Amino acid sequence: DAGITQSPRHKVTETGTPVTLRCHQTENHRYMYWYRQDPGHGLRLIHYSYGVKDTDKGEVSDGYSVSRSKTEDFLLTLESATSSQTSVYFCAISEGPGSQETQYFGPGTRLLVL
Amino acid sequence: EDKVVQSPLSLVVHEGDTVTLNCSYEVTNFRSLLWYKQEKKAPTFLFMLTSSGIEKKSGRLSSILDKKELFSILNITATQTGDSAVYLCAVGGGGSNYKLTFGKGTLLTVNP
Repeated sequence: DAGITQSPRHKVTETGTPVTLRCHQTENHRYMYWYRQDPGHGLRLIHYSYGVKDTDKGEVSDGYSVSRSKTEDFLLTLESATSSQTSVYFCAISEGPGSQETQYFGPGTRLLVL
Repeated sequence: EDKVVQSPLSLVVHEGDTVTLNCSYEVTNFRSLLWYKQEKKAPTFLFMLTSSGIEKKSGRLSSILDKKELFSILNITATQTGDSAVYLCAVGGGGSNYKLTFGKGTLLTVNP
């Protein structure tokens, strides 16, 4: 298994509070991704990073921000959590183009916003 | 807009049956098509198919890519209850930056 951890694994929070999810990898992969997975929608890309301090938006980025100050860590922040952000969040990593673009997923974080 | 469509959405079979899962796609600058298996946890990688590798096999699982008709199939022979999962198809392409577009998945249930 790829060395990817996510923390916390479960979180319950209240509407309007800020939340930060952490993804940590030990593979030294250049690319990191944040997805959310919801019934009926599948996996949707929130933000991704193609290097330290290099990030870009995915298809559902509104209400989320990210930061990557080190190769191994990619943080996802919900500035002011809403009930619509209740979801399972997965982090993924990949080496890059060609045969290395396979993405490997972390164990996921279940977030409930009340 | 890149699009990946999987069918059927769900499928129920008996142990020992053979199943075929479908994935069609519309994406510019196609690079690769990947299959993942997701049980009640994170997706795990099964296969990657590219222009230089349009057929893959691992045990009872096999997959082919038809770049002309823009689809892929995943075959599972002699199914077992442990094959029960959601199978996800993802396609790499479009612009750069190495993003994948995922289909919504096929839920396979294998009954004993």
